[in-house]
Amino acid sequence: GAVVSQHPSRVICKSGTSVKIECRSLDFQATTMFWYRQFPKQSLMLMATSNEGSKATYEQGVEKDKFLINHASLTLSTLTVTSAHPEDSSFYICSAIAGGSYGYTFGSGTRLTVV
Amino acid sequence: GDSVTQMEGPVTLSEEAFLTINCTYTATGYPSLFWYVQYPGEGLQLLLKATKADDKGSNKGFEATYRKETTSFHLEKGSVQVSDSAVYFCALRGGGANNLFFGTGTRLTVIP
Repeated sequence: GAVVSQHPSRVICKSGTSVKIECRSLDFQATTMFWYRQFPKQSLMLMATSNEGSKATYEQGVEKDKFLINHASLTLSTLTVTSAHPEDSSFYICSAIAGGSYGYTFGSGTRLTVV
Repeated sequence: GDSVTQMEGPVTLSEEAFLTINCTYTATGYPSLFWYVQYPGEGLQLLLKATKADDKGSNKGFEATYRKETTSFHLEKGSVQVSDSAVYFCALRGGGANNLFFGTGTRLTVIP
């Protein structure tokens, strides 16, 4: 079936550093990937929509200079949290639309802790 | 705008108990509705879906009916198992959109 591989699953970084999260689509091509963020006891909030070969579309209130998204190939999208701060600590999940009956396929998520 | 309101948890049930997790939505047009499940340490997986009014989605003993008159898509299971312990998310996809709108998630714990 369609699988999205996301890593790292957990990362702890120091305040001020940058962290890159990768999502790869396995066995299918993902022209569009979605990046979500989940705060404790809250829903997944769409941060941005990533399209292969073009600039990402960010949701209102999401700083595009802070959350850099690159979707350079049909199987890889990356989210880089730049100059991370403790308030960026959250659970980040990517999703891609696979063809056929698979629909939306999600990565397993990345727990980011900024100390 | 589109939104999903989901019953807050956590929910703790004994094995073989009946489960209901409420979900209501607000959307323009005719959205598609979904339930996703997230097992510990894993990504979200599609549990079931319904794309039009009165459709019933079902999978693994879980069911949900798309009720346009009450804008609801409640998840039910007649007899839960310990292995059903997970977080359940209700979601919708609006008529003209590609992305999903999620509820807050409901953590279910089933005890033997």
